Amino acid sequence: SSELTQDPAVSVALGQTVTITCQGDSLRTCYAAWYQQSPGQAPVLVFFGHNNRASGIPDRFSGSSSGDTASLTITGAQAEDEADYYCHCRASSGNQWVFGGGTKLTVL
Amino acid sequence: QVQLVQSGAEIKEPGASVKISCKASGYSFTRNWIHWVRQAPGQGLEWVAVINPSNGDKRYAQKLQGRVTVTTDTSTSTVHLEVRSLRSEDTAIYYCARDESIIVVTKTTWFFYVWGRGTLVTVSS
Repeated sequence: SSELTQDPAVSVALGQTVTITCQGDSLRTCYAAWYQQSPGQAPVLVFFGHNNRASGIPDRFSGSSSGDTASLTITGAQAEDEADYYCHCRASSGNQWVFGGGTKLTVL
Repeated sequence: QVQLVQSGAEIKEPGASVKISCKASGYSFTRNWIHWVRQAPGQGLEWVAVINPSNGDKRYAQKLQGRVTVTTDTSTSTVHLEVRSLRSEDTAIYYCARDESIIVVTKTTWFFYVWGRGTLVTVSS
């Protein structure tokens, strides 16, 4: 399958740690990229590859992968981290790119 | 700096066509593929199409195959997306984004560092 599956919503208490996951067969051959999107804004690249944080992204954001699952972890979540998060990869067929359905993160 | 500047909002009736553009600047245009991604109101991101400006090679989302065409004009560093036979469900913000990729051991990652600000296409009678 070329689909990427994410939990629709996740919540975290202010200052605590939260992990957002993305699952799909494509992730066996592709490191996911992760995007943060705030309302009314274009997506912003957060994390990509094996261990690459995008420029300007706080170091509380980290990523990992194992098998068919990729994860984005926020250690010490802040109020400004409340947003939608999407994973992204090229499908194993090579002819399509796919996004996960998105995870809405709420910081309590 | 690297920029992708998109054309303005469009309002079209069902059944019509729309052609929107994405003008690149600040880098060598033919060096990176350009993708189109759309987002319907209240929905997630959906990949639409990609084109290689250096040779015109292109790919389309299976769901939209036959109704969309992506083209490039290297003289103006511009990529165009045409959507035909518009339906209400095509109402969305259409983003262009620059493709980049890196290979780490046996895996590759594709990522979009640079995005346009989006073009709102509204399909309504």
